[in-house]
Amino acid sequence: QVQLQESGPGVVKPSETLSLICTVSGGSISSYYWSWIRQPPGKGLEWIGYFYSSGTTNYNPSLKSRVTISVDMSKNQFSLRLSSVTAADTAVYYCARGRRNDYGLNWFDPWGQGIMVTVSS
Amino acid sequence: DIQMTQSPSSLSASVGDRVTITCRASQSISNYLNWYQQKPGKAPKFLISVASALQSGVPSRFSGSGSGTDFTLTISSLQPEDFATYYCQQSYSTPWTFGHGTKVEIK
Repeated sequence: QVQLQESGPGVVKPSETLSLICTVSGGSISSYYWSWIRQPPGKGLEWIGYFYSSGTTNYNPSLKSRVTISVDMSKNQFSLRLSSVTAADTAVYYCARGRRNDYGLNWFDPWGQGIMVTVSS
Repeated sequence: DIQMTQSPSSLSASVGDRVTITCRASQSISNYLNWYQQKPGKAPKFLISVASALQSGVPSRFSGSGSGTDFTLTISSLQPEDFATYYCQQSYSTPWTFGHGTKVEIK
């Protein structure tokens, strides 16, 4: 059974870069659409982007200029970097495995437990 | 971006009640619609894909329907463990987007 676990700093200073790692256990990181999703306190879910095992990335245009998602196959990990953060980036960040059916429909399953990141000086 | 609008934003119901949540897309998304359940302090849990396909292990009291722009999630007989927030999500086109959620509370 595949499990995901986020790790990284809980506090990031404004204008700095948020860096998180998601460790995948119980399965290979090859294939799938390895994704990051965030949820500001008390609010809904926002898809940040994905890295597909072919090397393809796809980012939410609202964050595209600041986001990088990459994969380290040797460690079975993928990571998120979000630059120039502001208080608006304060959120719970989830990593998730994205799957796709034969008709191109994608879904997220499973998810990591989430990590709260606060942007504050 | 495709906007996903859920209604109601919250509802109060009793154990045993039939509950229906609506999700509307700002444009046609065929059946590229997923549903998730989120309990407080937990990650979302995947429930339904392709608008109506229940995932393995999800109780049969959950059902989904719809196509195009209008979708529903129905819980036929609400159980104590079903009190949570439910989100719809479209994967018709990126950026993939979620509804704002429907919180199901105990009456």
